[in-house]
Amino acid sequence: DAKTTQPTSMDCAEGRAANLPCNHSTISGNEYVYWYRQIHSQGPQYIIHGLKNNETNEMASLIITEDRKSSTLILPHATLRDTAVYYCIVIRGGGNKLTFGTGTQLKVEL
Amino acid sequence: NAGVTQTPKFRILKIGQSMTLQCAQDMNHNYMYWYRQDPGMGLKLIYYSVGAGITDKGEVPNGYNVSRSTTEDFPLRLELAAPSQTSVYFCASSKTVDLNTEAFFGQGTRLTVV
Repeated sequence: DAKTTQPTSMDCAEGRAANLPCNHSTISGNEYVYWYRQIHSQGPQYIIHGLKNNETNEMASLIITEDRKSSTLILPHATLRDTAVYYCIVIRGGGNKLTFGTGTQLKVEL
Repeated sequence: NAGVTQTPKFRILKIGQSMTLQCAQDMNHNYMYWYRQDPGMGLKLIYYSVGAGITDKGEVPNGYNVSRSTTEDFPLRLELAAPSQTSVYFCASSKTVDLNTEAFFGQGTRLTVV
């Protein structure tokens, strides 16, 4: 599975959009980009995933560049409850391992 | 539908003791995983299973054993507890083969070895 690079930490004002970048320059054609988050040492929670196209659900939007070498997770209106560690993970289609990097600590402030 | 259930939530072990961390899921998922998370660090994969009777090592398997006799249960065994195994342990499950889905995590077991 391709490696990912994320900033260690980011801050965001409550009510503003939080844009979390992820670099996965070695991604291959059958690898998906997944995002999870972990709030205060709870079990990680799935947010969204995509292969080529941009995706949106009730929690977030995922923007994948055309060359697929990077992506951005967007929380459109961040709240204090979105303070968490966000993990960007690349998983091979048909693969069977889910491994985590160090993620981005997002702090949402008033 | 309880999802992924881990027991116990907390445990203190003495060096050299053994214990089994329990994990059960009721979603009929074939894939199950065990992770450990040290303070301030990310999750490290210990073992995983793609179905009953099949297990494989992850990134940090030393000092642990697993078994998968049923689809529902995936216990993690510590035989000789060491202080380095002080950590939070998470179990997760997901559907088989089709990765176009999500993994569900338990709430963790906080283990301290003294």
